[in-house]
Amino acid sequence: NAGVMQNPRHLVRRRGQEARLRCSPMKGHSHVYWYRQLPEEGLKFMVYLQKENIIDESGMPKERFSAEFPKEGPSILRIQQVVRGDSAAYFCASSPRDVVKLFFGSGTQLSVL
Amino acid sequence: AQSVTQLGSHVSVSEGALVLLRCNYSSSVPPYLFWYVQYPNQGLQLLLKYTSAATLVKGINGFEAEFKKSETSFHLTKPSAHMSDAAEYFCAVSEGRGSTLGRLYFGRGTQLTVWP
Repeated sequence: NAGVMQNPRHLVRRRGQEARLRCSPMKGHSHVYWYRQLPEEGLKFMVYLQKENIIDESGMPKERFSAEFPKEGPSILRIQQVVRGDSAAYFCASSPRDVVKLFFGSGTQLSVL
Repeated sequence: AQSVTQLGSHVSVSEGALVLLRCNYSSSVPPYLFWYVQYPNQGLQLLLKYTSAATLVKGINGFEAEFKKSETSFHLTKPSAHMSDAAEYFCAVSEGRGSTLGRLYFGRGTQLTVWP
């Protein structure tokens, strides 16, 4: 049973470009979470999704950031017009329904030049 | 509101020595508490979790943690450190219910170094 798969592992973008981060949850998991880890800080919650629904996006920046978890395919975290402050490690986690146990992917390291 | 404080961003111990990583939390409701470990270039792996059952929780790799409500603490310990324990450790808290089930609040992490 494959774990949570994130790609790419490393993503380099220039300021103003778009970044698309992908996350495939573990098989059988219907809940997906995105977290961001800034340098010297712990992980911070961004958004919680179920299939085709955003349940809690209270941790998402108000502008430029969006997330989706379509009926088919991976969850996508999209950052438009990236700025240097977006440089961070972005982690995806998944869980089975109604279980407080998150399984984390290996993360995507976003670098904005 | 939930928050987590990890005392000591770096802890160094000798191989075979006791490991103690400190975590204090604040929570407006009975919390769920977690310790995660992160090895370089990897995601977080769950070490153990407290979900209102026994206050002394045993996890993987010989780690355990004790929930002390009166001290709002959830310190992580291991009697004898191994070189392979060198990693970053994160304490996290969750309300553990409803739509906030998977919304974890993490501490800033403690980097554990183990000397031979």
